[in-house]
Amino acid sequence: GENVEQHPSTLSVQEGDSAVIKCTYSDSASNYFPWYKQELGKRPQLIIDIRSNVGEKKDQRIAVTLNKTAKHFSLHITETQPEDSAVYFCAASDPYNFNKFYFGSGTKLNVKP
Amino acid sequence: DSGVTQTPKHLITATGQRVTLRCSPRSGDLSVYWYQQSLDQGLQFLIQYYNGEERAKGNILERFSAQQFPDLHSELNLSSLELGDSALYFCASSTGQANNEQFFGPGTRLTVL
Repeated sequence: GENVEQHPSTLSVQEGDSAVIKCTYSDSASNYFPWYKQELGKRPQLIIDIRSNVGEKKDQRIAVTLNKTAKHFSLHITETQPEDSAVYFCAASDPYNFNKFYFGSGTKLNVKP
Repeated sequence: DSGVTQTPKHLITATGQRVTLRCSPRSGDLSVYWYQQSLDQGLQFLIQYYNGEERAKGNILERFSAQQFPDLHSELNLSSLELGDSALYFCASSTGQANNEQFFGPGTRLTVL
């Protein structure tokens, strides 16, 4: 099955700096890559997603890039704020069941004021 | 609020016992997913149902079982509970169409003493 690896496991940045989280996937047939944010004690929520026919997608301070050839995708958060502190999970769709996601292990982002 | 409801919110029980977790998907969603999240861990996929039928299985123990009923709500049954089963159990739902967002419920926190 698909294997999703996520790095780093923890990331600490100063408020206002940028944060980058990277994920790789193993099956080139995966074609949907969502990112979820989970605040402490709360449910994961989708923050941005990208499909394999697009190389980049941006939503205000958040952007995701996809390199299909290298099989990796990244989350970029600019002008970080303390409320960005959370655990971020990347995921890739199962090539044989596009409803199912394989999640990365998560990145704990700490934005220091 | 994602529209996905889970009950109970918290559950405390003893080793060897059996519990049932309940999930109601968003209105119109046909697919239900169950995930286990142990302390400071990622999201472990357990099982997926689509319109009453099992669609995919992950790392679900034999002591665990699930089903989706005709009204589309789902139940996750955990039996012969062990200390290591203590975790946050999330239910998510989606339309069931390819590459659609999964909406997570608030989770059930299970503590096995």
